[in-house]
This record gives sequence, structure tokens and C-alpha cells, in this order.
Amino acid sequence: DAGVTQSPTHLIKTRGQQVTLRCSPKSGHDTVSWYQQALGQGPQFIFQYYEEEERQRGNFPDRFSGHQFPNYSSELNVNALLLGDSALYLCASRNRDWNTEAFFGQGTRLTVV
Amino acid sequence: QKEVEQDPGPLSVPEGAIVSLNCTYSNSAFQYFMWYRQYSRKGPELLMYTYSSGNKEDGRFTAQVDKSSKYISLFIRDSQPSDSATYLCAMSVYSSASKIIFGSGTRLSIRP
Repeated sequence: DAGVTQSPTHLIKTRGQQVTLRCSPKSGHDTVSWYQQALGQGPQFIFQYYEEEERQRGNFPDRFSGHQFPNYSSELNVNALLLGDSALYLCASRNRDWNTEAFFGQGTRLTVV
Repeated sequence: QKEVEQDPGPLSVPEGAIVSLNCTYSNSAFQYFMWYRQYSRKGPELLMYTYSSGNKEDGRFTAQVDKSSKYISLFIRDSQPSDSATYLCAMSVYSSASKIIFGSGTRLSIRP
């Protein structure tokens, strides 16, 4: 089992650009959540997807958007990048019907210059 | 005020010592309490998961939750150099499937 996989692992973008990050959930999982982890901080919840709909959202601007596909994989899109968007972006997956914890991927390190 | 407060450390202890990590929180609606371990440049890994107040033990790790004081702890016995990592406390209202609120993490170093 490959676990939660994220791509790319590292990314450098210029301020004002747009970026798309990808997440494949662990086998059997149908729910994906995205978190932003700034250097020296704990992860902050961005949003959660299941059944291809955004179900919960944290305190992030509309520049942050997402999508979930029929195969449960997910994308995080960030528009009009700011220097402050530089962070580790984490994807977590679980199955809504199983009483188990969420599993995190290794993250995508985004640097905005 | 942050919902979850955690001493960032760094904390450095000799191998074999007992380590105590703590968090306080302000939201009395939290019911699920977790501790994650995060190695450098890796994603968080769940160590302990507790529902409501009480203690839970798993090998060298013990998690304690005191909801009346809004205080949670993680104890590591017989600490090993491989325990060196950042430890994140985390909590949620409904379950680990819902929005998880993390502390800022405590950086722990175990000296051989």
C-alpha cells in the first residue's frame, strides 16, 4: 500500500502565479483534507472534500480552491500567489465509514519568490 | 489567543530520560485529542489518539487528557535518540476525520 502520495515534492513559483498540488489518498479512503504548515508552526486546516464536494473550510481566502475526482484523488489550487503562501502543504485521507485516524502524506514544499 | 497552545521548545534531554510534553486549549467542545510525531521534511505521523478525558498507554508512550483543566500531556519513557522529532498536539470536535486543530509543535532532541 503506497499510503497517501503527494506531487510534486518541491515547487518554486513566482509571486502572482498560480499553482496546483495533487494528492492520491490511501487505498480505500474516500475523504481528503488539505493543510498548510508554515515553517515552525503546526498544520492549519484549509478544507476537506468527500463525494467530490467541499464539506468544511478553514480560514483561508478564496484564492485557495480545490477539487476531488471520482477516484477520490484531489487537487489544491492557489491563485495569485503571495510570499506568505510559502509553506509545506499536507494532504490527509481517511474513510468516512471506518473509525480510524487520518493518514498524512509527505507534503509538497512550496516556495514563492 | 490561539485555540491550542504548545511550548515550542526546543527541549533537549539525555537518552533514557522521561519526557513530558504538554498543551493547553481554550475550546471546551474538543472531544478528540491526538499526538503526532513529525520528522524533518516528513508528514505528521499519528502516535496517540484519545477520546474525552483519561489516560492511554501504548508501549513507551502515555497520553493524558484533563478536560476540566483543558490540558493534555504526552509522556515518553526510556527516551531514545530515534524519538528526536517535532511533536504536535492536535484536537477536534467530532472525530479525527473532521477539522483538526494543531499546536505549533515542540522540537525534541534526545542526546545519546
